Amino acid sequence: DQQVKQNSPSLSVQEGRISILNCDYTNSMFDYFLWYKKYPAEGPTFLISISSIKDKNEDGRFTVFLNKSAKHLSLHIVPSQPGDSAVYFCAASGWSGGSNYKLTFGKGTLLTVNP
Amino acid sequence: KAGVTQTPRYLIKTRGQQVTLSCSPISGHRSVSWYQQTPGQGLQFLFEYFSETQRNKGNFPGRFSGRQFSNSRSEMNVSTLELGDSALYLCASSLPPQETQYFGPGTRLLVL
Repeated sequence: DQQVKQNSPSLSVQEGRISILNCDYTNSMFDYFLWYKKYPAEGPTFLISISSIKDKNEDGRFTVFLNKSAKHLSLHIVPSQPGDSAVYFCAASGWSGGSNYKLTFGKGTLLTVNP
Repeated sequence: KAGVTQTPRYLIKTRGQQVTLSCSPISGHRSVSWYQQTPGQGLQFLFEYFSETQRNKGNFPGRFSGRQFSNSRSEMNVSTLELGDSALYLCASSLPPQETQYFGPGTRLLVL
């Protein structure tokens, strides 16, 4: 049972345009959401997070939007740069019969930004 | 501040052997989590330690175990290795009560 889903395995955008990566979740106990960027053979790098009490969080070129009623979040990257090309993982955590220090990850979306 | 470090970075073992991986968290971080990444399953949670106690465990067989030392460094052990254990093993640390986890570079394990 996949509780965090990234339905697009890949996304290709032109440099300077907006990249929108999407993520859906099914577990209503999730209350904290994160986006990580990963290059091959490296560990994930934390990008941005959002708590369920907010619906938007911005950090430079990165903005995360959370729609709790739809159980959907998205990551916007504006403007996209070739160096943003990587796999992006959505992750979620929340109390579920134990500690909340467990991240449940989506399968990732490969973003390619073309010059 | 130094990031999360993991040793070794690469490891080759044969079926039936056992392996121990090490993780040093970011200074001051007391929570350490372990994840397995494979092409088919993505990133899967193994377990999480805080103050030398395992607080949460994923759905992995008992061959996978871990521990945390008083200095917050952690080790994970896999006994009786199987071909399917070939994966990138990632360690992450966090500073409770914050929930953001910071990952190390991983240990690439190949089981032949």
